[in-house]
Amino acid sequence: EPEVTQTPSHQVTQMGQEVILRCVPISNHLYFYWYRQILGQKVEFLVSFYNNEISEKSEIFDDQFSVERPDGSNFTLKIRSTKLEDSAMYFCASSEVAGTYLHLQETQYFGPGTRLLVL
Amino acid sequence: DAKTTQPTSMDCAEGRAANLPCNHSTISGNEYVYWYRQIHSQGPQYIIHGLKNNETNEMASLIITEDRKSSTLILPHATLRDTAVYYCIAIKNTGNQFYFGTGTSLTVIP
Repeated sequence: EPEVTQTPSHQVTQMGQEVILRCVPISNHLYFYWYRQILGQKVEFLVSFYNNEISEKSEIFDDQFSVERPDGSNFTLKIRSTKLEDSAMYFCASSEVAGTYLHLQETQYFGPGTRLLVL
Repeated sequence: DAKTTQPTSMDCAEGRAANLPCNHSTISGNEYVYWYRQIHSQGPQYIIHGLKNNETNEMASLIITEDRKSSTLILPHATLRDTAVYYCIAIKNTGNQFYFGTGTSLTVIP
């Protein structure tokens, strides 16, 4: 069964360093997402991406964050200058379509996550 | 998107049916009800979703009340591996982002 994969599974970095988290969405999916979960807290939406541009983003997704689909398979989240509070699990997700006027809300499938620790 | 309310925690005996309730009294006509679960700190796993009708798949059944103000996720024969946090999410068909609340922590007891 197709699944979303993420690398690395764990990342430790120093405050102020740049990190890139990588995701390979399910191959025929068109919408891609990043969520994060700080330890013991809720899963929070960061950004959604479609047709090579951001379609929605949350307040968390500030100028320190960026997303990119550098090729036909990868979807990346870059944090430009990490802060201690960026320590969290980061989940990538993908869906075949998103909500449309056709009353279709496609299921989002999540990857296993990358645990980011900023020291 | 409608706010959902779930009990904080529940226990279920192994082999018995686990019935997880969710209230979504402000749900609108075009909002779907989705259920996900999260085992430890793994990625949320899709279980089932529905709009008006009851739904069943290989993992679970979803019972939605006629007024759509509440729903119940049923795991017919709970196993220890079903111990997880279960999230009920109501989302519009035009929305992209899923809002995860605090969910219900289900513990399956041997």
